[in-house]
Amino acid sequence: NAGVMQNPRHLVRRRGQEARLRCSPMKGHSHVYWYRQLPEEGLKFMVYLQKENIIDESGMPKERFSAEFPKEGPSILRIQQVVRGDSAAYFCASSPPPSGGFTGELFFGEGSRLTVL
Amino acid sequence: GENVEQHPSTLSVQEGDSAVIKCTYSDSASNYFPWYKQELGKGPQLIIDIRSNVGEKKDQRIAVTLNKTAKHFSLHITETQPEDSAVYFCAADNSNTGNQFYFGTGTSLTVIP
Repeated sequence: NAGVMQNPRHLVRRRGQEARLRCSPMKGHSHVYWYRQLPEEGLKFMVYLQKENIIDESGMPKERFSAEFPKEGPSILRIQQVVRGDSAAYFCASSPPPSGGFTGELFFGEGSRLTVL
Repeated sequence: GENVEQHPSTLSVQEGDSAVIKCTYSDSASNYFPWYKQELGKGPQLIIDIRSNVGEKKDQRIAVTLNKTAKHFSLHITETQPEDSAVYFCAADNSNTGNQFYFGTGTSLTVIP
């Protein structure tokens, strides 16, 4: 049973370019989350998605950032016109739907490390 | 929304000693509290979790305790080993959104051989 798969693992972009980060959840998981981690800091929630639906994007910057989780294919976090402050590790996580009123466990991928030159 | 605070931010212990990391949360409706271990350059890995219907859970050298009244939970690692060195994160779920998690700021644990 493969875990959460993220690619690319490392991405270098110049200021003004676009970055696309992809995430395939664990088999059987219908919920996807994106978190950002700056060096020496904790995990900051960005967005929570189910298939074809954004559930909570309260942690997403208002501009340049978008996320989707289409019916087919991986979830994508898109950052347009990147700036140096976007340099960070972006982690995707997935979970099964809540069952019996209980929250599903969250499993993380290995992360995509974005460097903006 | 939920606010999770974690202490200490760094912790050094001698090999074989115990390590304790503490977290507090603000949302009394939270009912699921996982702990993650993150090694350098890797993603966080779930190591233990606890739900609000129990006060303590143990898995070999790792245990977690939960005090819902005081809204705090703790991670206990006994007989620490050098491979326990990592950053540990606590988290709490947000029952309002069904499945969102808020994380503490992390504790960097160093086990000195």
